[in-house]
Amino acid sequence: DAKTTQPNSMESNEEEPVHLPCNHSTISGTDYIHWYRQLPSQGPEYVIHGLTSNVNNRMASLAIAEDRKSSTLILHRATLRDAAVYYCILRDRSNFGNEKLTFGTGTRLTIIP
Amino acid sequence: ETGVTQTPRHLVMGMTNKKSLKCEQHLGHNAMYWYKQSAKKPLELMFVYNFKEQTENNSVPSRFSPECPNSSHLFLHLHTLQPEDSALYLCASSQALGDTQYFGPGTRLTVL
Repeated sequence: DAKTTQPNSMESNEEEPVHLPCNHSTISGTDYIHWYRQLPSQGPEYVIHGLTSNVNNRMASLAIAEDRKSSTLILHRATLRDAAVYYCILRDRSNFGNEKLTFGTGTRLTIIP
Repeated sequence: ETGVTQTPRHLVMGMTNKKSLKCEQHLGHNAMYWYKQSAKKPLELMFVYNFKEQTENNSVPSRFSPECPNSSHLFLHLHTLQPEDSALYLCASSQALGDTQYFGPGTRLTVL
């Protein structure tokens, strides 16, 4: 499975944008990039996913590098409720039935009031 | 209730006890999953069910026994556990295999 690399931790001020990076230099052409987050005392929560083009939804934006070897999750205006561990995960959609969501250690995001 | 629910939220058991964890999803999904999250370790997939049939068992010890009576319910039966089995056990569901997974809040298990 292709691996992802994320910083262990990041801090951001409340109401400012946050850019969470993820490196995936061994990504294959059929790998989708997924982001989940886990708030304290909760299960992981889906955030966003994409293949090649940048994606936007109500929670965040996903910017994917042209060579797809890296991506950035963008929280446009961080709130205290965004404090969580953010996981960047690759899903090979060509391997139907390979259901391993391989979570790494993620990035622990701290929001400073 | 909506989403994925898990009961109990916390469980303390001795090594000789038998207990069960319950998961219920109210999303109309067809696939359900059990994960284990230990302290300072990544999330580990344990079992996968699709339309009530088990499709994956990631070399989980037999002291963990899953049961999926229908697409909405998933159980994890526990017996003769070890202290190292103490962890957060998470249930998830998805519309189909490979789709976005929605997680429950987890059961925090402590084995004494």
